[in-house]
Amino acid sequence: DIQMTQSPSSVSASVGDRVTITCRASQDINSWLAWYQQKPGQAPKLLIYAASSSQSGVPSRFSGSGSGTDFTLTISGLQPEDFATYYCQQANSFPPWTFGQGTKVEVK
Amino acid sequence: QLQLQESGPGLVKPSETLSLTCTVSGGSISSSSYYWGWIRQPPGKGLEWIGSIYYGGSTYYNPSLKSRVTISVDTSKNQFSLRLSSVTAADTAVYYCGQITIFGYFDYWGQGTLVTVSS
Repeated sequence: DIQMTQSPSSVSASVGDRVTITCRASQDINSWLAWYQQKPGQAPKLLIYAASSSQSGVPSRFSGSGSGTDFTLTISGLQPEDFATYYCQQANSFPPWTFGQGTKVEVK
Repeated sequence: QLQLQESGPGLVKPSETLSLTCTVSGGSISSSSYYWGWIRQPPGKGLEWIGSIYYGGSTYYNPSLKSRVTISVDTSKNQFSLRLSSVTAADTAVYYCGQITIFGYFDYWGQGTLVTVSS
C-alpha cells in the first residue's frame, strides 16, 4: 500500500493568513493526488484533483502543487469558513486508494 | 445535481453482518465514467476506503477488509450496497458512499451514516 503522511497534524491560524499543508507519499504517485476539506458533521468535499486542478466551485484561494512524492495545499487568505480538517488522497494505484491522516486548521 | 443517500441499521451486534445501501439520484449508476464506493471514518479518526464497484460489476476491495466485504449493485434501483461480515467494535464508524471518477477521485459523497457495533 502507498502510505500518505501529512504535516502538520494541526495548525493554528488567523483569518487572512496563508496556510500551507504538506502531504508526502511513500512512493512516486506522479500527480495522482487529491485534497479534501471536511467540516465537523459533514462529508468530505473534493477541493483539488490531479495535484493542482481545482474542482468546480472551489474558491481560488485554494491551490495545490507538487508531483512525485511531495505535495502542498495552500490556502491564500484564510476565511472563517476554511477552519476544517484537510485530507490528501492518492489515486495512483489501487487497491487500496489511501488517505493521509488529516490536518486540522484551527483558530489561533 | 447528483445526490447519494446511505440507509441501513445504525446498530449492529458483534459478529453479525453490517448492511448498508446507497441510493443515487440525479445520475445513472450505469455510467462508465465512474466507480461507486464506500469509505468509513471511525469517530475522531481519518478516512479509510473500503471498496468500490464499477458499472460492469467489477469490484475492488481494501486488502485489509477484503475477506469480510461484499459490494454489489442494483442498476434497476440505481443503488449499490455494502455488506461487512463478522463485525467488531473496531468497525464502528460513519460510513459514506460516494461517486469516484475513473481517475480515482471522490467527487460526490453521501451525508454519511453512523453505524455502531455493540451488543
